[in-house]
Amino acid sequence: QLQVQESGPGLLKPSETLSLTCTVSGGSISSSDYYWGWFRQPPGKGLEWIGNIYKSGTTYYNSSLKSRLTMSVDTSKNQLSLKLTSVTATDTAIYYCAKHRIGGTFYSPLDYWGQGALVTVSS
Amino acid sequence: DIVMTQSPESLAVSLGERATINCKSSQSVLYGSNNKNYLAWYQQKPGQPPKLLIYWASARESGVPDRFSGSGSGTDFTLTISSLQAEDVAVYYCQQYYSTPITFGQGTRLEIK
Repeated sequence: QLQVQESGPGLLKPSETLSLTCTVSGGSISSSDYYWGWFRQPPGKGLEWIGNIYKSGTTYYNSSLKSRLTMSVDTSKNQLSLKLTSVTATDTAIYYCAKHRIGGTFYSPLDYWGQGALVTVSS
Repeated sequence: DIVMTQSPESLAVSLGERATINCKSSQSVLYGSNNKNYLAWYQQKPGQPPKLLIYWASARESGVPDRFSGSGSGTDFTLTISSLQAEDVAVYYCQQYYSTPITFGQGTRLEIK
């Protein structure tokens, strides 16, 4: 059974860089054909797509975050990572990593989600 | 960007009764070449991540009870719970995966009356 787990610092100060890791177990990123997505959800609010990444490192970013965002993949560790620079209070959210259901495309729903990592930005 | 609008924002239904949630997209999510609607429904309970219920607007994910069904095409979609159970209390989201940015509805909170 595939499992996904996000990890990262819970508290950041404004202007710092957010770094999150998504560890995948029960399946190999490199030997499968799935895209992976990052999403976030401010407390009590709805879901926002951050971006997608493929095992090759090909990325697709939400234009609203593109200037501050870097996503990468480490297939040797079976991990994905997200970096968001110059954070502000509006970046406070639960950050999720999720797998797209259909191989070879991110135009597909998300079938495996991590439990999420709460990131709070506060001075 | 495709805007997804759900209605109602909240809904209270008696146990055993039918619950209906609507979702409207600002443009069609029906892909002509394969005649599929790029629309999914998720259930999110407190403290948990979203759970995929329905994809291609009407295909039920494996393990999802058959009281959950999806319908609609183009820009108008519906999630129906035929007989509400206590464990169905949650927030429900529709999502389009027709184009990027992937977008979600604002959510519908379902409660027991």
